[in-house]
Amino acid sequence: NFMLTQPHSVSESPGKTVTISCTGSGGSIASNYVQWYQQRPGSAPTTMIYEDKQRPSGVPDRFSGSVDSSSNSASLTISGLKTEDEADYYCQSYDSSSHGVFGGGTKLTVL
Amino acid sequence: QVQLLESGPGLVKPSETLSLTCSVSGYSISSGYYWGWIRQPPGKGLEWIATIYHSGSTYYNPSLTGRVIISIDTSKNQFSLKLSSVTAADTAVYYCARITANLQFDIWGQGTMVTVSS
Repeated sequence: NFMLTQPHSVSESPGKTVTISCTGSGGSIASNYVQWYQQRPGSAPTTMIYEDKQRPSGVPDRFSGSVDSSSNSASLTISGLKTEDEADYYCQSYDSSSHGVFGGGTKLTVL
Repeated sequence: QVQLLESGPGLVKPSETLSLTCSVSGYSISSGYYWGWIRQPPGKGLEWIATIYHSGSTYYNPSLTGRVIISIDTSKNQFSLKLSSVTAADTAVYYCARITANLQFDIWGQGTMVTVSS
């Protein structure tokens, strides 16, 4: 079974840069696109990165995504952290049968 | 713009069937895209449940296969979810979403809370 593993939480100070990892197991993460969603309390998730590294319109360029096949992982990097970035972040991809797979989510705290 | 809205009972008894509908506005679901359901138990992460293509092809989370059915009604511009034999573990916020060809959940409904309790 293809699975995605994220750190439970990360924290960083305003203005700094943070990277959230998403490690694949049971398959190659590079075989299918990875998306990243932001979820604030009480709200539905919204896309921050799609197709590994693409930003939807309206998402600031402080957010970037990448995939590293050598470590079988994807990363979401947020630079110039703002307090408003504090939220839960989920990576998402799918397996060889087109079944959706979500990472467990990472709580970002901006101290 | 495209909007999705979930509807259905907020309380379901154990062993019964949970039924939810997602109404789509601003886009004709027969025109394309995949459509799907995701859930989130209180305080926990997101879990993909099922996906349906506008033509009717379906995909189900293996952990729920046998209990879940997703269907589409293009005449009403809606798609639906049925989850049978529910238990307290099925208590969650249920989201419907539009899914792109690259399987990105690009538009989400606001979510609806379903509690399984007698």
